[in-house]
Amino acid sequence: IAGITQAPTSQILAAGRRMTLRCTQDMRHNAMYWYRQDLGLGLRLIHYSNTAGTTGKGEVPDGYSVSRANTDDFPLTLASAVPSQTSVYFCASRLDGTYNEQFFGPGTRLTVL
Amino acid sequence: QKEVEQDPGPLSVPEGAIVSLNCTYSNSAFQYFMWYRQYSRKGPELLMYTYSSGNKEDGRFTAQVDKSSKYISLFIRDSQPSDSATYLCAMSALLLGAQKLVFGQGTRLTINP
Repeated sequence: IAGITQAPTSQILAAGRRMTLRCTQDMRHNAMYWYRQDLGLGLRLIHYSNTAGTTGKGEVPDGYSVSRANTDDFPLTLASAVPSQTSVYFCASRLDGTYNEQFFGPGTRLTVL
Repeated sequence: QKEVEQDPGPLSVPEGAIVSLNCTYSNSAFQYFMWYRQYSRKGPELLMYTYSSGNKEDGRFTAQVDKSSKYISLFIRDSQPSDSATYLCAMSALLLGAQKLVFGQGTRLTINP
């Protein structure tokens, strides 16, 4: 693999169900991010991790949790999905430094009914 | 007030036209200014980034930053149908050693053959 992979590509989920979105990068980037993208609102940061073992809250963290057990993986969990979490979710990663480009995955399209 | 404002469009122009995309921002701490391009059902990809005020050119694309007015622009010359995409401006600042990246809402651009 090259870059960032996300799974699943798309998912339809019943409200109240638990769901984990997977993200894996093979670039050995320190920092990883989860965004959601909604029409008219752009990309909003949900959670981030500056390095393995640490995580932080972004702009819209409620209803989501993350873990960073190793450098490569950064799963996002919806403990009990609600319709307002219907969105396109993007994982991104960046090599830590003064400035370095954030690379984005292909996205997961999630619909909560 | 949002930290970054971008007209969502949509913007539709004929092939060969010059396109101007703009963003304004309110946070003086932003140091790096980026333009991402996002094709339909794909993740965003970095198109250009700048650090200082002034112009930066890359082929048909020119990024312009005016820090005094808190205004950035992306110009596309000789626009092509393949330029049809959503363009997101993004700005970053380093806060306590971590990158804070804020995106505009994105402008949906269509180049008509």
